[in-house]
Amino acid sequence: EDQVTQSPEALRLQEGESSSLNCSYTVSGLRGLFWYRQDPGKGPEFLFTLYSAGEEKEKERLKATLTKKESFLHITAPKPEDSATYLCAARSQTGANNLFFGTGTRLTVIP
Amino acid sequence: GAGVSQSPRYKVAKRGQDVALRCDPISGHVSLFWYQQALGQGPEFLTYFQNEAQLDKSGLPSDRFFAERPEGSVSTLKIQRTQQEDSAVYLCASTLPRGKREGSYNEQFFGPGTRLTVL
Repeated sequence: EDQVTQSPEALRLQEGESSSLNCSYTVSGLRGLFWYRQDPGKGPEFLFTLYSAGEEKEKERLKATLTKKESFLHITAPKPEDSATYLCAARSQTGANNLFFGTGTRLTVIP
Repeated sequence: GAGVSQSPRYKVAKRGQDVALRCDPISGHVSLFWYQQALGQGPEFLTYFQNEAQLDKSGLPSDRFFAERPEGSVSTLKIQRTQQEDSAVYLCASTLPRGKREGSYNEQFFGPGTRLTVL
C-alpha cells in the first residue's frame, strides 16, 4: 500500500537556525515526489517536484533532495515568514494521477 | 489567468442537509482533482476528472458523495445528507494544460478550499 510519512510533526526553530524535514515514502513506482507549503486557511502552494534519486532542487532558503526511500526539505537560515505546514506528497504509477500526502510538518520560526 | 477558485469558502450545514461545493480550475487545465483535508491531516484524494470524464472516484467515502464536471471546466462536489464526519476542508486542484503530454507537467495547483462544518 502506498504510504507517505513525515517527521517531525512539529518543529520550532530560532530565526537563522537551519534544519531539515523528512519525508519517507513507500510507493509503487514513484512518478514524482512533491513538496507543498500550506499556510493556515489556504490551499497547498506548490514548491518542488523531484523525479529520481539524487535529484535536488532549490528555491531561496529551501532545498529539496530525493533518495530511493525518502526526501528531505532543507531550510537554511529560516525567517519567520517561512512558518507554515510543509506537506510532502507522492504520485505512483499505479492507480490514478492523484497524490498521496503525508500529514505534514508544522514549522514555526521564532524571531 | 487566475488560479483555482472555490466557493463558498465556508459552509455550515445542519446534519442531513445537502451541500454543493464549486471549483473553478485554472483556465485550460484538463485534469481536476478533489481532496478532503481533515484538521491536522494531509489532503486525501476523493476523485479525478480528465476533461468531463470522471476517471477515478475510488476515494469518495460513500455514495452520499457525488462529483461532476459536465463541460470539462467547472466542477461541483455534492454531499447528500451530510453527517458530522463530513466536516473538513474540501480542496480542488487542477493540472495538465491542454496540449501537454501526461507526465510532462505534473504539478497540481490548489484552490483555497471550502471549509465545511456539519452541526
